[in-house]
Amino acid sequence: GIQVEQSPPDLILQEGANSTLRCNFSDSVNNLQWFHQNPWGQLINLFYIPSGTKQNGRLSATTVATERYSLLYISSSQTTDSGVYFCAVENTGTASKLTFGTGTRLQVTL
Amino acid sequence: GAGVSQTPSNKVTEKGKYVELRCDPISGHTALYWYRQSLGQGPEFLIYFQGTGAADDSGLPNDRFFAVRPEGSVSTLKIQRTERGDSAVYLCASSRNMQETQYFGPGTRLLVL
Repeated sequence: GIQVEQSPPDLILQEGANSTLRCNFSDSVNNLQWFHQNPWGQLINLFYIPSGTKQNGRLSATTVATERYSLLYISSSQTTDSGVYFCAVENTGTASKLTFGTGTRLQVTL
Repeated sequence: GAGVSQTPSNKVTEKGKYVELRCDPISGHTALYWYRQSLGQGPEFLIYFQGTGAADDSGLPNDRFFAVRPEGSVSTLKIQRTERGDSAVYLCASSRNMQETQYFGPGTRLLVL
């Protein structure tokens, strides 16, 4: 099956810093989503981005499908950004099931 | 409108017992998914429904696991003869149609003693 790798696995930032999270995948995809899992375990949708670039406030994401990677940018980080960020992909031809990466655990400190 | 809801939020059971986990998707969403998340891991796919039918159940670990969606809305995940290794967070998601954004519920934390 498709492999999804995320880097870095862990990241500690001071409040106000910027960061880039990376997601590499091994095959073509129909769907790519970025999620934030908060400390209570809720998976929150950030972006649906199988290709191109999107922005939402301090967050933006870019997917280059032909090169099989996606990037999530967090600017001016806040303590509420802490948690685990997951990239999940839907492999072309596998009809809607998402394969998740192992996540990036982010801690934003004061 | 309301998001995906799951009940119960927590379930503690004894090895060998039967459990049912319920998922109420976003109104009007035709696609419904079950995933399982173990500690420190990303969610793993279990089963996907399009309407009432299971379109892909390739992620169910064995025949102790079964899921239904009889009216194309609410779904129940059923686990027979639970084992300690079944302990995990069971997540449900729904999407308006296949290959669209999936929205996740808060999960059911299952602990098998």
